[in-house]
Amino acid sequence: DTAVSQTPKYLVTQMGNDKSIKCEQNLGHDTMYWYKQDSKKFLKIMFSYNNKELIINETVPNRFSPKSPDKAHLNLHINSLELGDSAVYFCASSTRDRREAFFGQGTRLTVV
Amino acid sequence: GQSLEQPSEVTAVEGAIVQINCTYQTSGFYGLSWYQQHDGGAPTFLSYNALDGLEETGRFSSFLSRSDSYGYLLLQELQMKDSASYFCAEGGSYIPTFGRGTSLIVHP
Repeated sequence: DTAVSQTPKYLVTQMGNDKSIKCEQNLGHDTMYWYKQDSKKFLKIMFSYNNKELIINETVPNRFSPKSPDKAHLNLHINSLELGDSAVYFCASSTRDRREAFFGQGTRLTVV
Repeated sequence: GQSLEQPSEVTAVEGAIVQINCTYQTSGFYGLSWYQQHDGGAPTFLSYNALDGLEETGRFSSFLSRSDSYGYLLLQELQMKDSASYFCAEGGSYIPTFGRGTSLIVHP
């Protein structure tokens, strides 16, 4: 019954590794997002994916790449992890007018 | 670039009314959304204003003035459970920018 679900909830990994976070929504929404929330709680949009169109926040390193196998899924792949990538990553989806976003429970990524 | 400014912290007592302000500088502005986030939790949607004026949803109300690039979230009859972070955000955008969040602390 969970509207937006992401896995895993916690991820601890070493620098230099490649990891993925999965996200699925069962709301039938057309738009999905990935956000990064740092230790100061600043929520930064990373990507928006709408009807196969990817919109990228230009400040996001190209080590980060979203992949959408279908409309209900938007996974996040991160290559060559760095210490500064440690944060909570939220997946979200929104209604067609993009006024209201529904967030997943978050993935706390710790890079050691 | 896009930016939304809000106070970093607000404190109030139970039963009081508190207003969290948000000023914005964005291009192609659609509307203003508000989210609540408890520690360790995910942001949850509270309200959206596309047009000028006040929107009321129970104890929470949100206001927008497009001419002043300003909005606020009004919380009435504060309860301890309202202690959380509150974010204003661009609503309607494909790349929505969020404010840095206001930590609301409600005291008994």
